[in-house]
Amino acid sequence: QQPVQSPQAVILREGEDAVINCSSSKALYSVHWYRQKHGEAPVFLMILLKGGEQKGHDKISASFNEKKQQSSLYLTASQLSYSGTYFCGTYVRFNDYKLSFGAGTTVTVRA
Amino acid sequence: DVKVTQSSRYLVKRTGEKVFLECVQDMDHENMFWYRQDPGLGLRLIYFSYDVKMKEKGDIPEGYSVSREKKERFSLILESASTNQTSMYLCASSFGQGVPSYNEQFFGPGTRLTVL
Repeated sequence: QQPVQSPQAVILREGEDAVINCSSSKALYSVHWYRQKHGEAPVFLMILLKGGEQKGHDKISASFNEKKQQSSLYLTASQLSYSGTYFCGTYVRFNDYKLSFGAGTTVTVRA
Repeated sequence: DVKVTQSSRYLVKRTGEKVFLECVQDMDHENMFWYRQDPGLGLRLIYFSYDVKMKEKGDIPEGYSVSREKKERFSLILESASTNQTSMYLCASSFGQGVPSYNEQFFGPGTRLTVL
């Protein structure tokens, strides 16, 4: 089942902050975050694992609340390069191959 | 750099045609995936493979089949294309048989398929 992302879209000015949320109705093992710029392939940002381990981008932060089956991605002091569509993907087991993606959040950063 | 390439960026086919979408990765990854991307729906998994000649259905396999004869190549086949298969198709690969949830996926640039 697809995780639910919110908001669907957000418009920011350079330097502003934003939070993107990802919620699941199932218990999760890990949450993955990707960003896709217009006309390009999705690019990996971060993995958050059950138990607190993280892998990924050191300039983007995220949290994973295992009890609530929620993850949040924090865009801090946004730059023009942050524009794109952000997708969360979730795994329910460590040996699961099916990464279920949310519908995406479109972020537009304006000068 | 990991590179995932797809045979075409744009493809136009007619209803009923058999369509082949090819994907090649150059990083010796065990796992390969095919997704379709539609506005408002995100990426949905069609099929995946965790080894040569191994394939498993994803969430929306109907109307599709796959082939993996070599480790680096994963093909998506539309046996008889229909208009509702017009979409963006993305291929991805990842390292680590048995622990896909721990490793990132690397995506190809996508093939935009239009079925008339």
